Amino acid sequence: KNEVEQSPQNLTAQEGEFITINCSYSVGISALHWLQQHPGGGIVSLFMLSSGKKKHGRLIATINIQEKHSSLHITASHPRDSAVYICAVRLGTYKYIFGTGTRLKVLA
Amino acid sequence: EPEVTQTPSHQVTQMGQEVILRCVPISNHLYFYWYRQILGQKVEFLVSFYNNEISEKSEIFDDQFSVERPDGSNFTLKIRSTKLEDSAMYFCASIRDSNQPQHFGDGTRLSIL
Repeated sequence: KNEVEQSPQNLTAQEGEFITINCSYSVGISALHWLQQHPGGGIVSLFMLSSGKKKHGRLIATINIQEKHSSLHITASHPRDSAVYICAVRLGTYKYIFGTGTRLKVLA
Repeated sequence: EPEVTQTPSHQVTQMGQEVILRCVPISNHLYFYWYRQILGQKVEFLVSFYNNEISEKSEIFDDQFSVERPDGSNFTLKIRSTKLEDSAMYFCASIRDSNQPQHFGDGTRLSIL
């Protein structure tokens, strides 16, 4: 069983839709990251969370430590949001475990 | 904005050869990481490096792998005797402190023939 599970694995949305990507983990963590991987392979860090909620533009990330669950929301989705979104958890200070990613395609 | 840079972008090597992947982290960053991503699979943690020593490594990071920060700016990953299964994209990342998100390089695609 994977220690970090993401759902859905694939998601197709129409432009303007509200999108939610979920991440559940089974280990004790010190932080959780949401990352975006572009088709060319480059990885960009979107959020780092250890509690509560963060917002940046149209992106919102939440985490519930007790339930070991995090969500990434995209409001008013746009075709340029098409990418793979990855949840990664940090164990202690130095080690990370990554989810398998959610492939998002937003259609115009 | 400062960037993490990785060279080369693509490396093709014969099986059994040694390969060195290079990374230049952001200059005031203190924590450094190597990850790999086999084609079509998830990103996997290899090793973290802080204060000139390995702070954590995964089961993947066996005796074939080593890391160095030889001159205070470069951060290298060496694979001593490459295998076909080492073919992957290798990402370097760095952070200033553990409360900051990671900055990733664009990756080196390693192809073992």
